[in-house]
Amino acid sequence: KNEVEQSPQNLTAQEGEFITINCSYSVGISALHWLQQHPGGGIVSLFMLSSGKKKHGRLIATINIQEKHSSLHITASHPRDSAVYICAVSWGQFYFGTGTSLTVIP
Amino acid sequence: NAGVTQTPKFQVLKTGQSMTLQCAQDMNHEYMSWYRQDPGMGLRLIHYSVGAGITDQGEVPNGYNVSRSTTEDFPLRLLSAAPSQTSVYFCASSYSAKRVDTQYFGPGTRLTVL
Repeated sequence: KNEVEQSPQNLTAQEGEFITINCSYSVGISALHWLQQHPGGGIVSLFMLSSGKKKHGRLIATINIQEKHSSLHITASHPRDSAVYICAVSWGQFYFGTGTSLTVIP
Repeated sequence: NAGVTQTPKFQVLKTGQSMTLQCAQDMNHEYMSWYRQDPGMGLRLIHYSVGAGITDQGEVPNGYNVSRSTTEDFPLRLLSAAPSQTSVYFCASSYSAKRVDTQYFGPGTRLTVL
C-alpha cells in the first residue's frame, strides 16, 4: 500500500520542453510537498502547498484537494533541471512517493 | 547557519557491528526525523522526535535506536548491523511539530553492511 503515487517514474525531455510530473494521494493531508534530489546530492524542498498554485521561477506547483492530485510543471526545461522530483504529503508524519527521475537533454 | 549536518558521509560495516549516525541542526527546530532511502522505494520514516526528551517510532524502526537529549542533536544508533540496513540515511528537521512546515534535509549518509 502506498499513500502517494507519482507518474511517470522516468522522464526524458529535450531542453526547452514543458514538463509535467503528477502526484496522487489517497488520504487526507495537511499539506503537499515537492522535493528535488540531485544525483549524489541532498534533498531540497521546492514547494509546500495546501491549496491552489505556487510559482517559483520556472517551476509551478498546483494542487486539487477534491481530486487528491498535484502537478509539478517545469517551463523551458534546462539540463540543470535533471534530478529526481519527489512528492510528499504530511498529516502528522511525512509520506513520500518513489520519485520521478527527470533527464533533460541539451 | 550550517542547517542540518550529518556524519559520516560514507560508512562500511560488517554484519553485527554497531555504530551511530550523527545528526545536528542549528536552527532551533523542534521536529527531527530519520529516514532511509532504498532503490525503488520512497523515503521511509525510521524514528522521529517532537522535542528534547521525546522520541517515537516511524514506519521501519526495527534495528535502530534514537535519543534526543538536546534540541540540536538526534543520533541514530544501529545496534547490530545487518545487510538489510544497507541504505542511504537522511536526517531532517522542521521548525514545529505542531504545524505543517518545510522540512530541511541533511546531505545523507551512505551505509553499506557486508
